[in-house]
Amino acid sequence: GAVVSQHPSRVICKSGTSVKIECRSLDFQATTMFWYRQFPKQSLMLMATSNEGSKATYEQGVEKDKFLINHASLTLSTLTVTSAHPEDSSFYICSARPGANYGYTFGSGTRLTVV
Amino acid sequence: SQQGEEDPQALSIQEGENATMNCSYKTSINNLQWYRQNSGRGLVHLILIRSNEREKHSGRLRVTLDTSKKSSSLLITASRAADTASYFCATDKNTGNQFYFGTGTSLTVIP
Repeated sequence: GAVVSQHPSRVICKSGTSVKIECRSLDFQATTMFWYRQFPKQSLMLMATSNEGSKATYEQGVEKDKFLINHASLTLSTLTVTSAHPEDSSFYICSARPGANYGYTFGSGTRLTVV
Repeated sequence: SQQGEEDPQALSIQEGENATMNCSYKTSINNLQWYRQNSGRGLVHLILIRSNEREKHSGRLRVTLDTSKKSSSLLITASRAADTASYFCATDKNTGNQFYFGTGTSLTVIP
């Protein structure tokens, strides 16, 4: 089955630093990947759509300069949280699917804590 | 939420009972999917139902879809303690590939 690998699973960083999260499709190519964030006991909120070879599409209210997305290959998308602050602490999760007839596969998520 | 609401928000049942969760969404869709999330973990895909389907089964799971009411339900029969998790519906609008989640139902199955 389709596998999406996300790394790291957990990261603690200091306020003001940047953190990069990787999302890889291991056994399929994904021209599109999706990034979500989830606050405790809440649903997943779509942040942006990552498009291979072009700019990401951000949802309303998501700062594109704050959350940099790069989708340089068909198997890798990265999300960089720049100048992180404590309010950026959250669970970030990516997803992709092999094709339109498949369900989405999610990475295992990254728990970011900014101190 | 960005696209849908689920009810109940929380559900607590005894092992062996059936659990029903409902999902309503806002716009026309291509398909609707249900996912499960154990606390602090990633999501697991349970079942996909297309907009032209009305009911689908997978093991102890039964999903219905009513596009006229923009709603879906997930039924888990003969629940087990291991079914304790949060369950989310998710839809992709038929105008794009974006994929949005409902608010989720937290299910607790008491042994």
